[in-house]
Amino acid sequence: QVTLEESGPTLVKPTQTLTLTCTFSGFSLNTRGLGVAWIRQPPGKALEWLALIHWDNDKIYSPSLKSRLTITKDTSKNHVVLTMTNVDPVDTATYYCARRPRTSSYFFDYWGLGTLVTVSS
Amino acid sequence: QSVLTQPPSVSGAPGQRVILSCTGSNSNIGAGSDVHWYQQLPGAAPKLLIYLNTNRPLWAPARFSASRSGTSASLAITGLQTEDEADYYCQSYDNNLRGPVFGGGTKLTVL
Repeated sequence: QVTLEESGPTLVKPTQTLTLTCTFSGFSLNTRGLGVAWIRQPPGKALEWLALIHWDNDKIYSPSLKSRLTITKDTSKNHVVLTMTNVDPVDTATYYCARRPRTSSYFFDYWGLGTLVTVSS
Repeated sequence: QSVLTQPPSVSGAPGQRVILSCTGSNSNIGAGSDVHWYQQLPGAAPKLLIYLNTNRPLWAPARFSASRSGTSASLAITGLQTEDEADYYCQSYDNNLRGPVFGGGTKLTVL
């Protein structure tokens, strides 16, 4: 059974660095072809893909946010961590992590429940 | 402004058939990138509904189907049910942006 769970602060001040952790089970990021992504959704708005890390440590980022994002993995702990620097109130959103399955296409078959992060002073 | 364009809202009566559209460009759907669909029930996380253009995961009901043509894709729901009231998102891969892209979402209301 595949599960993912996001964790991190619920409130962050502007200009601070946000660190989110995705803890997953039911699969290993040592498995060839698998990946874990971060996707966010501001209140009442659409989904936005942020970053994706693969089993071989290959990483891709949204071009519009690339300079502020870092994604890493700890395979031994089944963790994927997203760091976002210099946050702003527009970064207020529910942040989801999701699994990319072992295919040549990019989609996400299992999602966490999400964690709401508010950026406010 | 989302890379993939979806109508903000669609409505239908129980039992009817509705079609949700997703319009892309020659850098994503038109370039042959696969299209995927997600259902987001109120207050819940998105859930994969259709993958690789036309395939349903085990948990998706058979009344959901999808197709693609040119730079567009569509999701059809037959025998509309009240529990289908949700937001629906299409997703593909964009060659210019070199990453996954989502549509702006369509809110389906079951009258």
